[in-house]
Amino acid sequence: DAGVIQSPRHEVTEMGQEVTLRCKPISGHNSLFWYRQTMMRGLELLIYFNNNVPIDDSGMPEDRFSAKMPNASFSTLKIQPSEPRDSAVYFCASRFGRYPTTTNEKLFFGSGTQLSVL
Amino acid sequence: GIQVEQSPPDLILQEGANSTLRCNFSDSVNNLQWFHQNPWGQLINLFYIPSGTKQNGRLSATTVATERYSLLYISSSQTTDSGVYFCAPGTGTASKLTFGTGTRLQVTL
Repeated sequence: DAGVIQSPRHEVTEMGQEVTLRCKPISGHNSLFWYRQTMMRGLELLIYFNNNVPIDDSGMPEDRFSAKMPNASFSTLKIQPSEPRDSAVYFCASRFGRYPTTTNEKLFFGSGTQLSVL
Repeated sequence: GIQVEQSPPDLILQEGANSTLRCNFSDSVNNLQWFHQNPWGQLINLFYIPSGTKQNGRLSATTVATERYSLLYISSSQTTDSGVYFCAPGTGTASKLTFGTGTRLQVTL
């Protein structure tokens, strides 16, 4: 299995531009997560999908952020307009899981997208 | 939300030494996983261990959920063990993982 695939690996953009990050989860996994990692705040959960449905988006910082999962093999995280404080590494992760649940399986991460907003 | 505290924050070891990393959490959990972030930024899942003890080669982990802590043991450390180790307990009906601030490990020759 190729693992969780994210693109692009690096993105440099100017303030105000739209940014779209992409993720392909592991085949057979039905839960997908978007995380953001910064030095100041560590790893933060942005949004969680189960069976392509957004279950919890309480971590999405503001309306400039949106995420979609149109099918089981693809998700996007969009920032519009982007700001310098959005600079971070954005990780996508997937697992097989049920919702609601009290147990779960291992979470697997992609390689991340390093976003720099100038 | 749940609070996650990892100790020590930084650790320097000579190759071959053993170490214990600790993770304390503030609430009941239904899930706990340990991750290693290597110097290239990749996050690798080491263990899914909501309770009990597991071993994988030179690594082992123990979670005592009733006392709200987990331990990660690294034996005979190697330079490739360097990086940041994260503990991530899970809570709630989505069993969402909350990451601690990590223990940064450097293994020297």
